[in-house]
Amino acid sequence: AQTVTQSQPEMSVQEAETVTLSCTYDTSESDYYLFWYKQPPSRQMILVIRQEAYKQQNATENRFSVNFQKAAKSFSLKISDSQLGDAAMYFCAYRRGSQGNLIFGKGTKLSVKP
Amino acid sequence: DTAVSQTPKYLVTQMGNDKSIKCEQNLGHDTMYWYKQDSKKFLKIMFSYNNKELIINETVPNRFSPKSPDKAHLNLHINSLELGDSAVYFCASSQIPGTHNIQYFGAGTRLSVL
Repeated sequence: AQTVTQSQPEMSVQEAETVTLSCTYDTSESDYYLFWYKQPPSRQMILVIRQEAYKQQNATENRFSVNFQKAAKSFSLKISDSQLGDAAMYFCAYRRGSQGNLIFGKGTKLSVKP
Repeated sequence: DTAVSQTPKYLVTQMGNDKSIKCEQNLGHDTMYWYKQDSKKFLKIMFSYNNKELIINETVPNRFSPKSPDKAHLNLHINSLELGDSAVYFCASSQIPGTHNIQYFGAGTRLSVL
């Protein structure tokens, strides 16, 4: 069975600094997708970034980028120039193939200090 | 123009009652999901429907019964509510196959069973 592990229950970053959230996953599949979702106190689940396993190039969305290490089954999220609005729970998620449900990690609570 | 809308946002009820949560998406997607987020923020799939047909049914008590009258709606009915059912329930939808294969989430329904 596929699993997703986020080893950092909580992280803290100073405003304007950079922080990296860790995620590892376990799968025997070759076709899969990885995602980072953000859940602010409003509890809305917001997609931050996605990565197709077949793509070697790391995904980037403005201040958010990933370090995808397929062999190591690692998918970390880097947030540059952290802003107060980045404070939220961040969930790493895996999906097998092009369909199916998401399998989530337990989340990392990110605090941003002014 | 909410893409995935759930009603109600909050639901407070007594043990033993029966309640329903409604979900509608206006994205034209053909697959819908129900996820449960427990008190520790852990998100887990409950059900998935594709074109009104059940495709994923995780180990969920049969007191939970999803109903999909059409592909734009997926409602969740819960019988004989128990204290342990207190959680946030998220509806999501996606298009399979489709651009980016992204799942879009509703704002969640916080269910409190007293």
